[in-house]
Amino acid sequence: DSGVTQTPKHLITATGQRVTLRCSPRSGDLSVYWYQQSLDQGLQFLIQYYNGEERAKGNILERFSAQQFPDLHSELNLSSLELGDSALYFCASRNKTEIGSEAFFGQGTRLTVV
Amino acid sequence: AQSVTQLDSQVPVFEEAPVELRCNYSSSVSVYLFWYVQYPNQGLQLLLKYLSGSTLVKGINGFEAEFNKSQTSFHLRKPSVHISDTAEYFCAVIPVWFGNEKLTFGTGTRLTIIP
Repeated sequence: DSGVTQTPKHLITATGQRVTLRCSPRSGDLSVYWYQQSLDQGLQFLIQYYNGEERAKGNILERFSAQQFPDLHSELNLSSLELGDSALYFCASRNKTEIGSEAFFGQGTRLTVV
Repeated sequence: AQSVTQLDSQVPVFEEAPVELRCNYSSSVSVYLFWYVQYPNQGLQLLLKYLSGSTLVKGINGFEAEFNKSQTSFHLRKPSVHISDTAEYFCAVIPVWFGNEKLTFGTGTRLTIIP
């Protein structure tokens, strides 16, 4: 158990809909990362937050947004969903103050858009 | 910016044979290096990491990796693989510079063990 919790584990929704994926980081970790993993694109970095502030942005579509709340949990919002958004979405957390600390990953949310 | 290249997308290996999974990186600043493993239907978990010091680092499950600064490589090795090593392996880097936390992954290498 990595200590990172992602909900839901599975999500099936229709095209055009909006979903919210939730991530609770490890206790004390201020950094949260979101990644998208699909068969054809591999593990793509989406966005990173540190203590509520956006710190780095990757290949995140404009239809996607994220935030980190004061209690440090994070949500990834995906709207106007398309078939191609079907993927495994991972959240990871990291203790930035610990030198060379690794990121700990959740089990992922598998999103299927039909 | 950093980038990570894993040239081998798939590596089939016979059981009990040795294996090497290759990773090369590019960065204008010093980086920390990581290898993660993803078993089927699971999240990523850390195998090992290189921060500084000895260039040979040992990880879990009998894996080790060697950091080569001149070749900007961090190849993963295991002297004798088992069926349970079947998984996808990802190399990753993060800048040492405290202000930049972007964790960049390679595209992954799928290791298949042949009985």
